[in-house]
Amino acid sequence: AQRVTQPEKLLSVFKGAPVELKCNYSYSGSPELFWYVQYSRQRLQLLLRHISRESIKGFTADLNKGETSFHLKKPFAQEEDSAMYYCALSRAYNTDKLIFGTGTRLQVFP
Amino acid sequence: DTEVTQTPKHLVMGMTNKKSLKCEQHMGHRAMYWYKQKAKKPPELMFVYSYEKLSINESVPSRFSPECPNSSLLNLHLHALQPEDSALYLCASSLRAGVKDTQYFGPGTRLTVL
Repeated sequence: AQRVTQPEKLLSVFKGAPVELKCNYSYSGSPELFWYVQYSRQRLQLLLRHISRESIKGFTADLNKGETSFHLKKPFAQEEDSAMYYCALSRAYNTDKLIFGTGTRLQVFP
Repeated sequence: DTEVTQTPKHLVMGMTNKKSLKCEQHMGHRAMYWYKQKAKKPPELMFVYSYEKLSINESVPSRFSPECPNSSLLNLHLHALQPEDSALYLCASSLRAGVKDTQYFGPGTRLTVL
C-alpha cells in the first residue's frame, strides 16, 4: 500500500534559519512526489513536484529513492513561509490519486 | 477565470436533510475530484471524474452521490449524513485525467452535520 509519512507535526524556526521538512514514502512502484502548501485562510496549492526539479520560493526537494525520502528544504526561512505543508505521492504515470501525508505546520518566528 | 470555485462556503445540515455541494471551473480541465478533509488530517480522495465519467470511487458510502453534469461543473449530493461526516470538502481539477497533470484545489465547503 502507498503511504506518506511526515514525522513532524510542527516545526518552529527563526527567520533566516535553514528549514527541512521531512517526508518519507512507501510505494513498490515508481512514485511521483509533490509538496503542497496551505497558507492561512488560503486554498491548498502545489508548491513543487519532483519531476520539475525546480526551486519555488527558495524551496527545493530532492527525491532519494534509496532512502524513500522527499524532504523539503530552504536555506533561509522567511516569516511568510509559515504555513501547513503536505507531502503527497502518486503513481508515476497517473496523478489522479494523490495520497497525502499528515502535514507539517511550519512556524517562522521573527 | 483561473480558479476552482466552491459553493457554499459553509453548510449546516441535519441528518435527515438533502443538500448539494457545488464546484465549478472554467479552465478547460477535464478531470475533477472530490476530497474530504477532517480537522487536522490530510485530504482524502473520494471521487474522480474524467471527461464527465466517474473513474474512481474510493469506497465512499452511498449517502454521498457525485454528479458531473458538464465539463465545468461537479456536484456532491448529500443525503442522510452522519455527524462524523462533518469535514471540509475540497474540490480539485486538472487538465486531463490519467496523466501527470497538476491538481488545482478550491477553497472548500465546511460541512457540519447536526
